[in-house]
Amino acid sequence: KAGVTQTPRYLIKTRGQQVTLSCSPISGHRSVSWYQQTPGQGLQFLFEYFSETQRNKGNFPGRFSGRQFSNSRSEMNVSTLELGDSALYLCASSSYRAGETQYFGPGTRLLVL
Amino acid sequence: GESVGLHLPTLSVQEGDNSIINCAYSNSASDYFIWYKQESGKGPQFIIDIRSNMDKRQGQRVTVLLNKTVKHLSLQIAATQPGDSAVYFCAENNGGATNKLIFGTGTLLAVQP
Repeated sequence: KAGVTQTPRYLIKTRGQQVTLSCSPISGHRSVSWYQQTPGQGLQFLFEYFSETQRNKGNFPGRFSGRQFSNSRSEMNVSTLELGDSALYLCASSSYRAGETQYFGPGTRLLVL
Repeated sequence: GESVGLHLPTLSVQEGDNSIINCAYSNSASDYFIWYKQESGKGPQFIIDIRSNMDKRQGQRVTVLLNKTVKHLSLQIAATQPGDSAVYFCAENNGGATNKLIFGTGTLLAVQP
């Protein structure tokens, strides 16, 4: 099976812009979670989608949003980018049940200038 | 609040030795624990997991131990190899109907030849 794929792998934006990141889960997986990884804060949960519905949300401002499509692919959007949004954004997928193993993609490295 | 913390930020071992990476968690309601390995420029890679109804689980060269009494998790790597050099994260899923993971801060394992 192909693993989790994320596009683009690298992105450079300027403050105030918005960005959309994409994640394709492992075939058959219906849960997609997003995490932000920074040197200062480590890995932090952003949100999880299951069957096109947000099942849980982390402690991030409303500028961070996401969605999931009927084929389980997911996108996350960050509006009005700030310098502090520079991070590695990771997507993880798992099967339909909660508490199942999550498999991560390679991440999208976002740099905000 | 909820937290998963690592005792040692850096662990240096000789090739061939056994490695032990430790992790403390604070949420006694957590029922699923996972160890991930992250190499530079890559997403976290699943190593091994354990559920709260177990206290030990073995994989290929790796063993995870769970001590619920003191809320402690450890990862043992036998015959450590240079390819094991990476950052290791423990993560907990605190139950419920979501896949939200809370990650520890990570331990850098450096294997000396």
